[in-house]
Amino acid sequence: GEDVEQSLFLSVREGDSSVINCTYTDSSSTYLYWYKQEPGAGLQLLTYIFSNMDMKQDQRLTVLLNKKDKHLSLRIADTQTGDSAIYFCAEKSYGQNFVFGPGTRLSVLP
Amino acid sequence: KAGVTQTPRYLIKTRGQQVTLSCSPISGHRSVSWYQQTPGQGLQFLFEYFSETQRNKGNFPGRFSGRQFSNSRSEMNVSTLELGDSALYLCASKPQFTGDVGEKLFFGSGTQLSVL
Repeated sequence: GEDVEQSLFLSVREGDSSVINCTYTDSSSTYLYWYKQEPGAGLQLLTYIFSNMDMKQDQRLTVLLNKKDKHLSLRIADTQTGDSAIYFCAEKSYGQNFVFGPGTRLSVLP
Repeated sequence: KAGVTQTPRYLIKTRGQQVTLSCSPISGHRSVSWYQQTPGQGLQFLFEYFSETQRNKGNFPGRFSGRQFSNSRSEMNVSTLELGDSALYLCASKPQFTGDVGEKLFFGSGTQLSVL
């Protein structure tokens, strides 16, 4: 079945850029998403990209999609301590359920 | 607009008991999905309800069941609890599919279930 993989941990220094990577297997994925989960909370949608796009930028967030390699990345510029959270990559194709990755725990060090 | 509301926030049960979790979606949302989140497995899809009908079901045993009411509120039930059922149970709602805009899930804060 479909699978989404992510590295489990990432540590960066405050002010640096963070890059969280994700790979997926379903070539028919139409939308790819990034969700953020803060401690004790549910998942919050950060951004999403349609599969015919290569890049999407939204303030400090940049999403890059390499459809050939089925690789998605989320770059957070000027990372702040408030960005510490778990980041989930998810993919969705028509008529199918959302498939989530295991989540990457981002730790921002002062 | 109020967000997705899940109750209770925390639950402690013992093996063999059963439990019912509740989810109220965002007003106007007719689709409700349930997910199990554990540290080792990430988010696992349980089932989705739309207009009181189960649309999809994940790979969970029959001990896990759900239903949806006419007001779109949903309940999830787990019978004969096992230690491995300890997890954060998340509910998510979404509006009607909006075509090019893409489907978006809106999550509640979850119910943390501990089975002793």
